Formats: sequence, C-alpha cells, structure tokens
Amino acid sequence: DSGVTQTPKHLITATGQRVTLRCSPRSGDLSVYWYQQSLDQGLQFLIQYYNGEERAKGNILERFSAQQFPDLHSELNLSSLELGDSALYFCASSLMGLAGNTGELFFGEGSRLTVL
Amino acid sequence: GQQLNQSPQSMFIQEGEDVSMNCTSSSIFNTWLWYKQEPGEGPVLLIALYKAGELTSNGRLTAQFGITRKDSFLNISASIPSDVGIYFCAGQRETSGSRLTFGEGTQLTVNP
Repeated sequence: DSGVTQTPKHLITATGQRVTLRCSPRSGDLSVYWYQQSLDQGLQFLIQYYNGEERAKGNILERFSAQQFPDLHSELNLSSLELGDSALYFCASSLMGLAGNTGELFFGEGSRLTVL
Repeated sequence: GQQLNQSPQSMFIQEGEDVSMNCTSSSIFNTWLWYKQEPGEGPVLLIALYKAGELTSNGRLTAQFGITRKDSFLNISASIPSDVGIYFCAGQRETSGSRLTFGEGTQLTVNP
C-alpha cells in the first residue's frame, strides 16, 4: 500500500460526458501528479500541483483540468469525453515539488476510465 | 511524447534465469528510478539512483546510473514467477522540476 488513495477505481461513461477523479496523497506529501496510461502504453505526465498551486503541465488536453485543495487532495476533471480518453489515470504524490528533491513518486492504484 | 527508450519491449524467460533491461535517453537525467507495475495496480518503486555511476541493489534487483547520465540498466537475478509484470524506467531532469519521464516499459513473463 503506497498510501495514495484514488477513487473511483473503475468508471464507465459515455462520450460527451464529464467525470471527476479524486486523489488523496500520502500523509505529509505536498505534491500531487496526474499521469495517463493508455492501453499498452507508458505513463504520460499530465499535470503537477504543489501545495495547492499548479507546478508543471505536460500533455494535458484543454478538456481536462485539475486542482489541489487546501487539504492537499486533488481532483482531475475530464470533460467532453471521447473514446480515446479511455485509459488508466494515476495519481502520484511526493514530499517535495521543487527541483532538487529525490524524485521518488508514490503511485495510487489508478482509476480505470472507459468511455463508450 | 516519451523521451526515454526502454528495451527490450518484452521478455519471455524461464524461472531461474537472469534478466537485463535498459533505458537510454538523448537528455541528461539527474535521477533514475525503476518501477514495477502488476496488472490492476499502480507502479511501485523498486530502486532509485541519484549519482552517475551509482550501482544499487534491492534483493535480487541491481540497477546502475550510467556515467553519461543518459542511461540506466536493471538486472534481475534468478528470476521467479512473481517477477512477472511491467518494468518501467523513469528519469528526472533538473529542468523539469520533480516530475518523472517514463520509458514505455518492459513486459516480463517468467515461465515456471
């Protein structure tokens, strides 16, 4: 158990819909990262938050947005869903978010999104 | 897109054999990490490397941070069936803050 909690574990929805994925980081971790893993693919970085503020952005679509709340949990919002958005979405956390930290990320078990 | 080239893409081995996989990049990384992902689970950190030339072991796993800082390898000795999974390398660059760039993974199958 990594200590990172993601909900829901599975989600099935239709094209055009909107979903929200939730992540609670490890106790004490200030940084939250979102990654997308499509079928048989590696992990694509989407976005990072550090202590409530956006720190870095990767290959995140404009239809997707995220935020980190004062209690440090984070939500990833996916809207106008398309078939190609079907993937595993992972949240990871680390203690620090600035250059020079150890780089060790701890991953949740992921949220599997299926868009029909 | 991916900036780390991980090979091989897949491996099918017999129990007891040793395994080697590697990751290369055109960019310099200041940290290399190796993760294992099992079906339905998130990636789990196996080994972290922080210095060029560093060689670190974790049980039957050994990983090295290349001298050029552009590559890393992972060895698994005397493989067992529970080694099955996807192994990912990941690198952290100074210019990218703390986020990690991942390789595309090596799918390992161990036949008993």
